[in-house]
Amino acid sequence: DSGVTQTPKHLITATGQRVTLRCSPRSGDLSVYWYQQSLDQGLQFLIQYYNGEERAKGNILERFSAQQFPDLHSELNLSSLELGDSALYFCASSVSTSNRAEAFFGQGTRLTVV
Amino acid sequence: DAKTTQPNSMESNEEEPVHLPCNHSTISGTDYIHWYRQLPSQGPEYVIHGLTSNVNNRMASLAIAEDRKSSTLILHRATLRDAAVYYCILPTYNNNDMRFGAGTRLTVKP
Repeated sequence: DSGVTQTPKHLITATGQRVTLRCSPRSGDLSVYWYQQSLDQGLQFLIQYYNGEERAKGNILERFSAQQFPDLHSELNLSSLELGDSALYFCASSVSTSNRAEAFFGQGTRLTVV
Repeated sequence: DAKTTQPNSMESNEEEPVHLPCNHSTISGTDYIHWYRQLPSQGPEYVIHGLTSNVNNRMASLAIAEDRKSSTLILHRATLRDAAVYYCILPTYNNNDMRFGAGTRLTVKP
């Protein structure tokens, strides 16, 4: 158990809909990262937050947004969903933004868009 | 960001040592070398990391070349449970965000 909790574990929704994925980082970790993993793309970095502030952006679509709340949990919002958004979404956390810090990953949310 | 190059796949026999190579010829002095692995149907899992000196922990050893342009993850006795995709990554210095490549898929044969 990494200590990172993601909910829900599975989500099935229709095209055009909006969903929210939730991540609770390990206790004490201030930095949260979101990744998307689809069969043909591998693990893609989406976005990072540190102590409530956006820190780095990767290949995140404009239809997607995220935020980190004062209690440090984070949410990833996906809107106007398309079939191609079907993927595993992972959240990770680390204690700081230092590249010496190891990251801990959750078990992921499997999103299926039908 | 410095990039890494890994073989797409490797095979090993159970209970034998495994050496997983990684090239990072554009590494900078502040880049730490991290290794993660992803078991089937699970999230990535931290394995080990280092800067210049070789590192050991309960999971593996990390051997870093003197010029730091390559490194090797060593699993001392592979088990079936070690079958996974192994990623060698250089997180960004000021954010620690990680850009995953394709990694090396390790198959362990009984």
